[in-house]
Amino acid sequence: DIQMTQSPSSLSASVGDRVTITCQASQDISKYLNWYQQKPGKAPKLLIYDAYNLETGVPSRFSGSASGTDFTFTISSLQPEDIATYYCQQYDNFPYTFGQGSKLEIK
Amino acid sequence: EVQLVESGGGLVQPGGSLRLSCAASGFTFSSYWMSWVRQAPGKGLEWLANINQDGSEKYYVDSVKGRFPISRDNAKSSLYLQMKSLRAEDTAVYYCAREGWPRGAFNSWGQGTLVTVSS
Repeated sequence: DIQMTQSPSSLSASVGDRVTITCQASQDISKYLNWYQQKPGKAPKLLIYDAYNLETGVPSRFSGSASGTDFTFTISSLQPEDIATYYCQQYDNFPYTFGQGSKLEIK
Repeated sequence: EVQLVESGGGLVQPGGSLRLSCAASGFTFSSYWMSWVRQAPGKGLEWLANINQDGSEKYYVDSVKGRFPISRDNAKSSLYLQMKSLRAEDTAVYYCAREGWPRGAFNSWGQGTLVTVSS
C-alpha cells in the first residue's frame, strides 16, 4: 500500500497567516493527490484535486502544489472559518490512502 | 442538489453483522463510482471499498476484504455495505462518498452513520 506521510499533525496560526501542510507519498503517485477539509462533526469536503486543481466553489486562498513525491497544501491568508483538520489522499493505486491529518487551530 | 444519506448504523456485538445503506439523490447515481470511507473516533479517514457504475468492479482495503462486501442497486439509487464478523476496531463513523471527476476524488459525502461494536 502507498503510505502518505502528512505533516505537521497539528499547527496553530493567526488570522491572515500563510499556512502550509505537506504530504509525502511512499512512492510515485504522479499528480493523483487530493486535499480535504473536515470540520468537527462534519463530513470531509474536497478542496483540491489532482494536486493543483481547485474544486468548484472553493476560495482561491487555498492552493496545492507538487514536486516529485512531495505535495504541499497552502492557505494564503488564514480565515477563522478555516479551522479544521486537513487530509491528503492518493488515488494512484488501490487501496486509496489518506494522510494522518493536520489539525489547524487559531492562535 | 446532490444528497447522500447513510443509514443502518448502531450498536452490534463482536462477531455480529450489520448492513449499511446509502440513499443517493440529486444526480444520476448509475453514472458514478461510489466508495465507503470510515473514521474511528478521534482518528483519521480510512477508505474501505469502492464499486464501479454497474457493479462489475469492486476494490477493497485488506482489513475488510472478505468481510465487508460492497454492492449497489442502481434502480433504487442505493449503495450498500454488508458488514460481517465485526470487531471492536470496526467502531467508526461510516461515510458513503461519490467519486467524481477525476475518479478517486470524493466530491460528495453523506453525513455518516455510527457503527459501535461492543459487548
